[in-house]
Amino acid sequence: EAQVTQNPRYLITVTGKKLTVTCSQNMNHEYMSWYRQDPGLGLRQIYYSMNVEVTDKGDVPEGYKVSRKEKRNFPLILESPSPNQTSLYFCASSLSPDRGSKLFFGSGTQLSVL
Amino acid sequence: GQNIDQPTEMTATEGAIVQINCTYQTSGFNGLFWYQQHAGEAPTFLSYNVLDGLEEKGRFSSFLSRSKGYSYLLLKELQMKDSASYLCAVMDSNYQLIWGAGTKLIIKP
Repeated sequence: EAQVTQNPRYLITVTGKKLTVTCSQNMNHEYMSWYRQDPGLGLRQIYYSMNVEVTDKGDVPEGYKVSRKEKRNFPLILESPSPNQTSLYFCASSLSPDRGSKLFFGSGTQLSVL
Repeated sequence: GQNIDQPTEMTATEGAIVQINCTYQTSGFNGLFWYQQHAGEAPTFLSYNVLDGLEEKGRFSSFLSRSKGYSYLLLKELQMKDSASYLCAVMDSNYQLIWGAGTKLIIKP
């Protein structure tokens, strides 16, 4: 089944404790992206990757890191989480953004930073 | 700056028709997407318009006017399961998606 697998689904942590949210897709997509979604603000892009070893900042990259060492995986790393990073996070992938390809989303990670 | 506007919330009756509008101002245009998002779930793709006109897909249709910076999503024969948020997103000249805040659609029996 074609899908984007994102883990964990829920995560509660404390300020400053490093964490990683994993994202993997099995569709051989070139493009992958991370979003956060907060009430009333819609989806905001954190980082994106056009292909292996190519990553770029989105609209809200501060406090986040990503890597794209393999085509299928695109983990999101919070080196020192803070309460303002409490949010719903989505990983997404598409064949290629310049063809108007639709995004496939992971099931989301609800993160709470205490 | 770049901006996508859509109503925050709309209410409609089961079996009726509802139109959700989206206006945009972006740096260039490479297509407009509509996604559906049920509460607590991931967005799922509904439609993509890059040329002016109406695209029909079952009970859902999407319209685009590039000269007016305007699109709408039309939902016919509303069902309770259509209660969700509907997200409008425009791909700009750099092929980046600009997202609206979403329209929460409430369906009443």
